[in-house]
Amino acid sequence: DAKTTQPNSMESNEEEPVHLPCNHSTISGTDYIHWYRQLPSQGPEYVIHGLTSNVNNRMASLAIAEDRKSSTLILHRATLRDAAVYYCILRVNTGTASKLTFGTGTRLQVTL
Amino acid sequence: NAGVTQTPKFQVLKTGQSMTLQCAQDMNHEYMSWYRQDPGMGLRLIHYSVGAGITDQGEVPNGYNVSRSTTEDFPLRLLSAAPSQTSVYFCASSYQVEGYNSPLHFGNGTRLTVT
Repeated sequence: DAKTTQPNSMESNEEEPVHLPCNHSTISGTDYIHWYRQLPSQGPEYVIHGLTSNVNNRMASLAIAEDRKSSTLILHRATLRDAAVYYCILRVNTGTASKLTFGTGTRLQVTL
Repeated sequence: NAGVTQTPKFQVLKTGQSMTLQCAQDMNHEYMSWYRQDPGMGLRLIHYSVGAGITDQGEVPNGYNVSRSTTEDFPLRLLSAAPSQTSVYFCASSYQVEGYNSPLHFGNGTRLTVT
């Protein structure tokens, strides 16, 4: 699977927007971009995914660069409950094996 | 739906003992996988399966064995536990259908300590 690169950590103030970047310069045309987050002492949970177009859901927005070599997860108003490690991974859209690998993610700290 | 269920939640083993970590899902997902997570690190893929009877290795398969006899269950076996296998283990599942990209659903993890 193609690799992703994320900053180790980021900080945000509560109620402010947060933009979490991810670089995936070796992405293939059929790779979907997935974001997950892991709260302390919990398993990862799905946040959002997309292929080419920007995507919105109740948790976040995903902005994908035109060349698809990078993407940004946007939390519109960070809360203390959004403090977590955020993982960006690539997933192939195929019926064959998906060897999904996670990096170390971005640890988001949210302060009052 | 219970989602992905992992048992046990906690386990302590002595070096050399064997055990099986259980993972079951009730969503009829074809894809299932096992990850381990060590302190301060991301998740590393151990083994995965795209359907009953089909398994393959991930990044760190040594010391672990898997089988997939049913769609619902994907147990992870530690053949001879070593202190280096002290970790938190997560099972995850998803659909694996051509043309449909499905998010992963994770269990709550099994915290394993090998002394």
